[in-house]
Amino acid sequence: QSALTQPASVSGSPGQSITISCTGTNSDIGIYNHVSWYQQHPGKAPKLIIDDVTNRPSGVSNRFSGSKSGNTASLTISGLQAEDEADYYCSSYTISSTWVFGGGTKLTVL
Amino acid sequence: QVTLKESGPVLVKPTETLTLTCTVSGFSLSNNRMGVSWIRQPPGKALEWLAHIFSSDEKSYNTSLKKRLTISKDTSRGLVVLSMTNLDPVDTGTYFCARVSYFSGWSFDFWGQGSLVTVSS
Repeated sequence: QSALTQPASVSGSPGQSITISCTGTNSDIGIYNHVSWYQQHPGKAPKLIIDDVTNRPSGVSNRFSGSKSGNTASLTISGLQAEDEADYYCSSYTISSTWVFGGGTKLTVL
Repeated sequence: QVTLKESGPVLVKPTETLTLTCTVSGFSLSNNRMGVSWIRQPPGKALEWLAHIFSSDEKSYNTSLKKRLTISKDTSRGLVVLSMTNLDPVDTGTYFCARVSYFSGWSFDFWGQGSLVTVSS
């Protein structure tokens, strides 16, 4: 199972919007809506911010949104804030009843 | 509330076997809408899914590591145990356990704090 493909880094200024892509295959993202996104600050455990492609768990800011088209899922963060600076990971359930993560994207708020 | 906590050795020698325990509370390991996975993260690197155990006791493993991994659970005590054989320095990293819930689209909705394991002689 190969890792999902994410850009290594993205950046944006406060108030701007950024989008992080996550590309898989028709064995994972392409056939399931079980795509999730996680935010991880240094030294901390990951935190679930999007599940089932578009759903925001309770307590997660509505500045975070998710989408999917074909084998690619995307996370958009609008109105960037300093505290959004973190690493972001996508994950998908797979046809083999396993899970796979992306390589992670480092978000820098300029 | 839902909590998970990892425990195990901090330092392991190469070729030895690592055994990590995840103690869960706030939910039952017999709940058929939930399960527990182990995930690891080498220093400065990405998350890697390792193994999962369903409420039915069915198991699923990372295909690349399957020969070295064993996951099991003790439902009555709220414990999920991961064993990894033949440790190598590249296995150094933080090991997390996380709950997987049907209600959150089979995502990892709650995580433990992580257990840092160093493999070194």
